[in-house]
Order: sequence, then C-alpha cells, then structure tokens
Amino acid sequence: AQSVTQLDSQVPVFEEAPVELRCNYSSSVSVYLFWYVQYPNQGLQLLLKYLSGSTLVKGINGFEAEFNKSQTSFHLRKPSVHISDTAEYFCAVSEDDYKLSFGAGTTVTVRA
Amino acid sequence: KAGVTQTPRYLIKTRGQQVTLSCSPISGHRSVSWYQQTPGQGLQFLFEYFSETQRNKGNFPGRFSGRQFSNSRSEMNVSTLELGDSALYLCASSLAAGVLNEQFFGPGTRLTVL
Repeated sequence: AQSVTQLDSQVPVFEEAPVELRCNYSSSVSVYLFWYVQYPNQGLQLLLKYLSGSTLVKGINGFEAEFNKSQTSFHLRKPSVHISDTAEYFCAVSEDDYKLSFGAGTTVTVRA
Repeated sequence: KAGVTQTPRYLIKTRGQQVTLSCSPISGHRSVSWYQQTPGQGLQFLFEYFSETQRNKGNFPGRFSGRQFSNSRSEMNVSTLELGDSALYLCASSLAAGVLNEQFFGPGTRLTVL
C-alpha cells in the first residue's frame, strides 16, 4: 500500500527567500507523484506532477520538484517566494491511476 | 469557463440526520471524484464516478454513497451522521477517469455535525 510523509508540518519563510518542502513516499511499485496547493477557503490546485521521464519537473508559479527514486522522495522547491505563496501544500501519490493518497500537508507562511 | 461548483458551501446538521451534497463539474468533464478533508485524517479519497458509474471507492463505511447523473453532475449522501463526519468535502472534476487526467477542485462544502 502507498503512503506519503510530509516531513514538515509548518515552514515559515521570509519573502524572496528560497523554500523546500519535503515529501517521502512508500510504495512497492512505480508511482505517479503530485504536488497541490490549497489557499485559504479554496479547493486544491495542481502545482505539478511526475508521471515519467525527466526527474526534474517544473510547475506553475515558479515551483519545481525533483523525483528521486532511490530515496523515494519528491521534494518541492521555489527559489524565491512571495507573500502570495502563503498556503498549505500537499504531496500526493498514486500507484494505479485510480485514486490519490495525500500527505498531511505543509503550511507555508511567508513573512515580509 | 466556469469552475467546479459545490452546493451548499456550508451546512450544519445534527447527529443521526442525513445530508446530500452536490457537485457540478466543469463543462465537458465526465469524471467526478470526492474527497473528505479533516484536521485529524487529512485528505481522504471517497469515490470516483465516470459516465454515471462508480469507478473506485475509498475506505469509508456504507453510510457514504454517491451517484452521477447523465449531465455529469454528482451528489454524495451521508446517512446517519456522526460527529466525526464533520469535515470539508471536496469535489474534483476531470475530462476523463483516472488521476493522470488533471483534477480541478471545487471550493468544498463544509459540513458541521452537532
């Protein structure tokens, strides 16, 4: 069975600083990996996804993530954050194209 | 193009009652998935419908059910409500079935069970 661990529940960061959100998964088979963002009082929005191919995936709003099969990780990065990046971020995995299993989420708070 | 709409946005019920939540997908989308979000359990998959058929179901009791209509609109029903059913219920639509098709989420229905 698949599971997802987001290693940080809260990440405070200053505006224009870089941020990295860590995600590890466990699965015995090949997986598809996703990062979603949830702004206050809104639904989730897809940031990026890894299906196959290049391990470095670029997404919207300047985010990117790197798939590391040997470490079973899919960490999300942004080189310079804005106040508007304040949100909750969810890592998700799917083994079978049927359903997503989500991590517990990481709350990013960007301060001026 | 209008996004995914969910009605109602907020709902208060008492234990033992039943509730029906509605989701209207983006025009042209034929797949609808439902998720439950709680502080304790996080985001959990409930079920997915495609072309009026339930394609997959998460690990929830039979009190949770759903259906999809010919216009792709979907409803989910929770019977005999329990306090633990208090949650944000999110609906997501996609062009076709499966998570490889980008899912677009609605704002959710916040259900409070007293």
